[in-house]
Amino acid sequence: NAGVTQTPKFQVLKTGQSMTLQCAQDMNHEYMSWYRQDPGMGLRLIHYSVGAGITDQGEVPNGYNVSRSTTEDFPLRLLSAAPSQTSVYFCASSRLTTSYNSPLHFGNGTRLTVT
Amino acid sequence: QKEVEQDPGPLSVPEGAIVSLNCTYSNSAFQYFMWYRQYSRKGPELLMYTYSSGNKEDGRFTAQVDKSSKYISLFIRDSQPSDSATYLCAMSALAGGTSYGKLTFGQGTILTVHP
Repeated sequence: NAGVTQTPKFQVLKTGQSMTLQCAQDMNHEYMSWYRQDPGMGLRLIHYSVGAGITDQGEVPNGYNVSRSTTEDFPLRLLSAAPSQTSVYFCASSRLTTSYNSPLHFGNGTRLTVT
Repeated sequence: QKEVEQDPGPLSVPEGAIVSLNCTYSNSAFQYFMWYRQYSRKGPELLMYTYSSGNKEDGRFTAQVDKSSKYISLFIRDSQPSDSATYLCAMSALAGGTSYGKLTFGQGTILTVHP
């Protein structure tokens, strides 16, 4: 009963370094997304995907890349980390349906610090 | 001005108190309203989901929506220390998984219930 799994849990990067945040779900959900959570800002959508091969930008996409080659995985790439990207990152997934009984399932987050 | 405003608190109450958490919003197209609960160092989890105006009750929790005032509330009766968490409101114009590219979150209210 894994749900949404995010790795790593913690990461410290130096400015300019690159890294990939991993997200995997085992619920066969079509919809997957990445949010960042900052104090006083709530959750802000970075990128999302409605299926393999389909991605779109959210509210704050700059500095981040995504791809969706399988239903299960949705990695988030930081190409050149900046201190402004210090945040807690959450991956979330859902069935793609118009029913309001399809809630978002969140992972437990990756805490990223960029120095 | 943010589309969704939520008092970040923090809010501290004694065990057994009635807690009222609130959000205001500016987008009249919002029809679907959610409350998520987030424990420390965990991802958010869906607590309540309502459509349009009215009340919805689930155990000790009651969600209220007043679309005419663009105001939603979450009431917690007989609050317990286990209710200590951050509560986030979220809302969208569309239902279910197809809406999540346009889901807007409040900043979250930190609640502590002390014994």
